[in-house]
Amino acid sequence: GAVVSQHPSWVICKSGTSVKIECRSLDFQATTMFWYRQFPKQSLMLMATSNEGSKATYEQGVEKDKFLINHASLTLSTLTVTSAHPEDSSFYICRAEDRGANEQFFGPGTRLTVL
Amino acid sequence: AQSVTQPDIHITVSEGASLELRCNYSYGATPYLFWYVQSPGQGLQLLLKYFSGDTLVQGIKGFEAEFKRSQSSFNLRKPSVHWSDAAEYFCAVGGQGAQKLVFGQGTRLTINP
Repeated sequence: GAVVSQHPSWVICKSGTSVKIECRSLDFQATTMFWYRQFPKQSLMLMATSNEGSKATYEQGVEKDKFLINHASLTLSTLTVTSAHPEDSSFYICRAEDRGANEQFFGPGTRLTVL
Repeated sequence: AQSVTQPDIHITVSEGASLELRCNYSYGATPYLFWYVQSPGQGLQLLLKYFSGDTLVQGIKGFEAEFKRSQSSFNLRKPSVHWSDAAEYFCAVGGQGAQKLVFGQGTRLTINP
């Protein structure tokens, strides 16, 4: 079946550094990908919608300049957390839409810890 | 605006007992409804979904859910739980194409031996 991968699965970084998280659809083309963050013991909050070849659409309250999203190809979207701080520590999950099959698939998530 | 409410933050049941997890939604049009399960530190796995048709939908792992439009509910059920069902369960609602899914707060399920 369709698979969505995320890399890395976990990352620890120092405060002030930038971290890039990749989301790949492995056997389908994803024109749209969604990025969520999940704090411990909380629900998933949609951060932004990423469309291939165009600018991402951010949810209210999400800083565009801090969370850079690039969707340069039909199989890859990246989320870059710039100048990360401890409060950015979270579980980041992507979701990819296989429009042809009318299906949606979640990635396994990336745990970011900022020291 | 669309929203999902899962009234129970934490539920504990004995192994072999029946289970019902509640989900109420608010959506202005025909909703697309989903139940996902998440084990600690893992991503989300789709249990089942409802788009249209039969209001009782069957999912994986023996789960089922019933869509009740009059009550704006989509409760998840399982006749007999197994210890491996212990996890966090999320209900979600979206529109046509299910693009922007909105998630409920989640219900943590604990299974007593």
